[in-house]
Amino acid sequence: DIQMTQSPSSLSVSVGDSVTITCRASQGIDNHLAWFQQRPGRAPKSLIYAVSNLQTGVPSRFSGSGSGTDFTLTISSLQPEDFATYYCYQYNTFPLTFGGGTEVQIK
Amino acid sequence: DVQLVESGGGLVQPGGSLSLSCAASGFTFSDHYMEWVRQAPGKGLEWVGRSRNKANSYSTEYAASVKGRFTISRDDSQNSLYLRMNSLKTEDTAIYYCTRGSCSGGSCHSFPDNWGQGTLVTVSS
Repeated sequence: DIQMTQSPSSLSVSVGDSVTITCRASQGIDNHLAWFQQRPGRAPKSLIYAVSNLQTGVPSRFSGSGSGTDFTLTISSLQPEDFATYYCYQYNTFPLTFGGGTEVQIK
Repeated sequence: DVQLVESGGGLVQPGGSLSLSCAASGFTFSDHYMEWVRQAPGKGLEWVGRSRNKANSYSTEYAASVKGRFTISRDDSQNSLYLRMNSLKTEDTAIYYCTRGSCSGGSCHSFPDNWGQGTLVTVSS
């Protein structure tokens, strides 16, 4: 199975800060990498697919990059509604697998 | 708007069975792959399985943890996705989410682009 390792597991930031979350795959996944946001008590929401493509309606302060095995999610100028847990996800090889999540907390 | 509404969750004893449903609306259900994803209390997300569309013979894929116990099916005439869960274990306790798949690239590598609100399954004696 492909292991998806996210770091950090949590971080504390202030509104207006920029945040970068990394995700490393244990083997190459081409560009089949997505990111999801989950606010407390809510269902996940799709943010990004194919490494860097924003889902419709996702603000442009979210961006994704990377290739091969190393990927990043960047949130520029964090807003109050961005405090949530973020998951990366590889959909290249079965079984499909998620990262362990990164909780973004208010400082 | 795309809507996915899960139902059928509840309390079941270990070794028991349960069936979940997902009612889809706002899109052409028959065109899409559909998947189930679950989340144990306080834990991360876990992919459960996939149903491909008619063009791909409604073929299915499963996580090793549920293979042989869970069955995904669909009824395109009812715009519905199902998850039949047998031989349930305490570790199957989770919120189960129905997701719509979209394809990227030339071949269909499907990823979730819409999620339901989830239904809670509790396996306990």
